[in-house]
Amino acid sequence: GAGVSQSPSNKVTEKGKDVELRCDPISGHTALYWYRQSLGQGLEFLIYFQGNSAPDKSGLPSDRFSAERTGGSVSTLTIQRTQQEDSAVYLCASSLRGGVEQFFGPGTRLTVL
Amino acid sequence: GENVEQHPSTLSVQEGDSAVIKCTYSDSASNYFPWYKQELGKRPQLIIDIRSNVGEKKDQRIAVTLNKTAKHFSLHITETQPEDSAVYFCAALYGQNFVFGPGTRLSVLP
Repeated sequence: GAGVSQSPSNKVTEKGKDVELRCDPISGHTALYWYRQSLGQGLEFLIYFQGNSAPDKSGLPSDRFSAERTGGSVSTLTIQRTQQEDSAVYLCASSLRGGVEQFFGPGTRLTVL
Repeated sequence: GENVEQHPSTLSVQEGDSAVIKCTYSDSASNYFPWYKQELGKRPQLIIDIRSNVGEKKDQRIAVTLNKTAKHFSLHITETQPEDSAVYFCAALYGQNFVFGPGTRLSVLP
C-alpha cells in the first residue's frame, strides 16, 4: 500500500514568510510524528499526535511552530515568520500506534533565504 | 531530559569487515530500541529493532545487542558491502516518543 507522503518536497521561502508543510500518513495509523533534520544532523522531535488525544508539543522550538491533525489523518506543520535557522528537512512519520515501528515520509526540504 | 548518545560519529571499514555502532540511553524505563539507515537524500528506513525483554536479535548480516543494566545497545553489521554505506541512527522510546542518536556515517571501502 501507499507509504507516508509529504508535500511539497522542496520549499524555498523568504525570511518572515509563513509556510505550511503537509503529511499524509499511512491509512489506519493512529500515531503521527514530526521531526526536523538539519544538514548532517540527527532527528529532532517536534510534535506527536496519537488518535484523538491532545498532541505532545514538547519538541516545538518556539511559538512560531504549530501543527494540526485533522480527522486523525492528514497533518499540517505551520511555521510562521520563518527564520534562516528554520532551514532543514522536515520529516513526518506514522505508526500503527504509539511506541512501535515508525514509517517515515520523504521529507520536505525547507530553505529560508 | 532523555538523551541518546551514539558512537562513533564516522566509521570507515573495508568491504567484508564488520562494523559496530554503539548507543547509550539515559532512562531505564525505555523498552524499545530501533535502528534506522538513511542513505543520502532519502528517508530513514528501519533495519532492525529490539525490545527490552531480549538481549539480542539477528537478521541476516545485521544484529542488535542490548545491555539493560548498562543502558546501552549496539548494531553489528557483518560482511559489510558498499551498499551498507549510509548514516545509521539509533533511537530509544521514552513513553510514546522517540529520542534519536546523532547518527553514525558508515563508509564501506571497496
